[in-house]
Amino acid sequence: NAGVTQTPKFRVLKTGQSMTLLCAQDMNHEYMYWYRQDPGMGLRLIHYSVGEGTTAKGEVPDGYNVSRLKKQNFLLGLESAAPSQTSVYFCASTSPKPGTGNYNEQFFGPGTRLTVL
Amino acid sequence: AQKVTQAQTEISVVEKEDVTLDCVYETRDTTYYLFWYKQPPSGELVFLIRRNSFDEQNEISGRYSWNFQKSTSSFNFTITASQVVDSAVYFCALSEAAGNQFYFGTGTSLTVIP
Repeated sequence: NAGVTQTPKFRVLKTGQSMTLLCAQDMNHEYMYWYRQDPGMGLRLIHYSVGEGTTAKGEVPDGYNVSRLKKQNFLLGLESAAPSQTSVYFCASTSPKPGTGNYNEQFFGPGTRLTVL
Repeated sequence: AQKVTQAQTEISVVEKEDVTLDCVYETRDTTYYLFWYKQPPSGELVFLIRRNSFDEQNEISGRYSWNFQKSTSSFNFTITASQVVDSAVYFCALSEAAGNQFYFGTGTSLTVIP
């Protein structure tokens, strides 16, 4: 199993450009999350999804959109990138089903380092 | 208000010293889960432990131990005989059974000096 993968690993954008980050998981997890990590701020939740076709806002959703068209994929979009969106982005997935050995643990992808000039 | 507070931003210890990383959480739920993750300099997030609110037993795994105290809403992490490879940022996190989100602290950066 590959676990959680993220594409791309690095990206440099100019202000105003758009891009989509792809997160894929092969663990059949229901829940998926997008976080951003900035120095001294820890991990902050951008958006999350509790199942295919559903999304919800997290702590810092402005400037981002997401889609969960397939259970295994969770896309994060930046329509018009700004320098304030320079960050490391992490995707995570988890299963909420009790009784499983890894109940409620979040599995993280390797991260995407995004720089907006 | 922060649901998870890690008051120690940075800690430096000399190799072989013991070190405790503090985590204080806030929740009104009676069922919740607490986690510790490690982020080494390579950047990935590594799961260390999960503890549910009904299990207050302390846990030891090799040089790592965790002290969960509901009375003080704390879930502290101790590394015994620290090693250089323990140098990393450590995050404490909370998940409430009634919700769908995980709440992370701001992390504690640990440097172990050889």
